[in-house]
Amino acid sequence: DTGVSQDPRHKITKRGQNVTFRCDPISEHNRLYWYRQTLGQGPEFLTYFQNEAQLEKSRLLSDRFSAERPKGSFSTLEIQRTEQGDSAMYLCASSLGQGPPNEGQFFGPGTRLTVL
Amino acid sequence: SQQGEEDPQALSIQEGENATMNCSYKTSINNLQWYRQNSGRGLVHLILIRSNEREKHSGRLRVTLDTSKKSSSLLITASRAADTASYFCAPAGYSTLTFGKGTMLLVSP
Repeated sequence: DTGVSQDPRHKITKRGQNVTFRCDPISEHNRLYWYRQTLGQGPEFLTYFQNEAQLEKSRLLSDRFSAERPKGSFSTLEIQRTEQGDSAMYLCASSLGQGPPNEGQFFGPGTRLTVL
Repeated sequence: SQQGEEDPQALSIQEGENATMNCSYKTSINNLQWYRQNSGRGLVHLILIRSNEREKHSGRLRVTLDTSKKSSSLLITASRAADTASYFCAPAGYSTLTFGKGTMLLVSP
């Protein structure tokens, strides 16, 4: 499968625990994006990388959230001290390009986080 | 904000009928994109229309863009049960994507 993959697909955790999600983009894609989606809403942009550089972060990304893409390939999104409000689907997308960072995005299946 | 607002919020039709969804936005854009999301295939890009284009077709999809009214429409012709999904518009400038709440389309056999 050459699409965007995310792991795990589901995560249940207790409030206060840390969680980490992984995203593997399409292999030749230089851009990688993270979004969060809650029930009944569209995806909300969190952050994006061009190669290993994190170029933009949403104000939604509180200090408890950190994302990395150390070698410009896969990326991790960590949430520290999880809260019930963090329960959502976390989507990863990747794209290839140098133009505006909003074209040609391919999305992964998402990681559904439930915080008890 | 470049966030789009889709209308209607929900739409229920019979197979074979056409479905029209609308999107309004508030700021100038570089392009506008439509996405579909269902439980089986996740979020999938459908079509991108640039600000200097007025209409675009892709298979059974027809998208129009009216930048003077800051609105777009997505028409799905001869709908199928497999078209059942949420549809999101994403008006975009030179930054990242912003999605609206979507239109939930139900196509009944």
